[in-house]
Amino acid sequence: KQEVTQIPAALSVPEGENLVLNCSFTDSAIYNLQWFRQDPGKGLTSLLLIQSSQREQTSGRLNASLDKSSGRSTLYIAASQPGDSATYLCAVRLPAGANSKLTFGKGITLSVRP
Amino acid sequence: DADVTQTPRNRITKTGKRIMLECSQTKGHDRMYWYRQDPGLGLRLIYYSFDVKDINKGEISDGYSVSRQAQAKFSLSLESAIPNQTALYFCATSDVGQGVGYTQYFGPGTRLTVL
Repeated sequence: KQEVTQIPAALSVPEGENLVLNCSFTDSAIYNLQWFRQDPGKGLTSLLLIQSSQREQTSGRLNASLDKSSGRSTLYIAASQPGDSATYLCAVRLPAGANSKLTFGKGITLSVRP
Repeated sequence: DADVTQTPRNRITKTGKRIMLECSQTKGHDRMYWYRQDPGLGLRLIYYSFDVKDINKGEISDGYSVSRQAQAKFSLSLESAIPNQTALYFCATSDVGQGVGYTQYFGPGTRLTVL
């Protein structure tokens, strides 16, 4: 059974700091990995999706990397801002041909201090 | 307008009541999902549907049922609500197009409280 772990559960950093959020998964046979952002009491917003054949994806100040063989992904946030404060979840999808569901980590709650 | 909408956004009900949560999407996606989110447990899949005639149980389907009335509509029902079904419920959609890699798009959520 695929398990997705995100440690630590919470992180507090000063504004302007570059930071890395970690995600690990137990079964490396994934189809893709997706990073989401969730604001308190709100739905999830997709940030980046990395296919299993890709090593990284970039969007603005965000960069997500994928190392399938070691079962790890990182989300790099450059020059963090208070508006980046939210919970960040990673999710992995089983290979195409399986039931195609996502398995989510529990998320990392990020607080960026002004 | 939002691509994935959920109604109601908040609901308080009593044990034993029947509750229906509704989801509509304008993205034209075939695949729709229902999740619940609980503190400390993360997101868990309740049911999913790959098209109008295809309904599948997720990891925690007991106590829930669904109806896919049309490509754009997917409803979740609690036939007899119980307090441990208090949670934040999310609907999501995804496309099967190879180019988008099954990105999931989430609705804003329904906060359900069962007293």
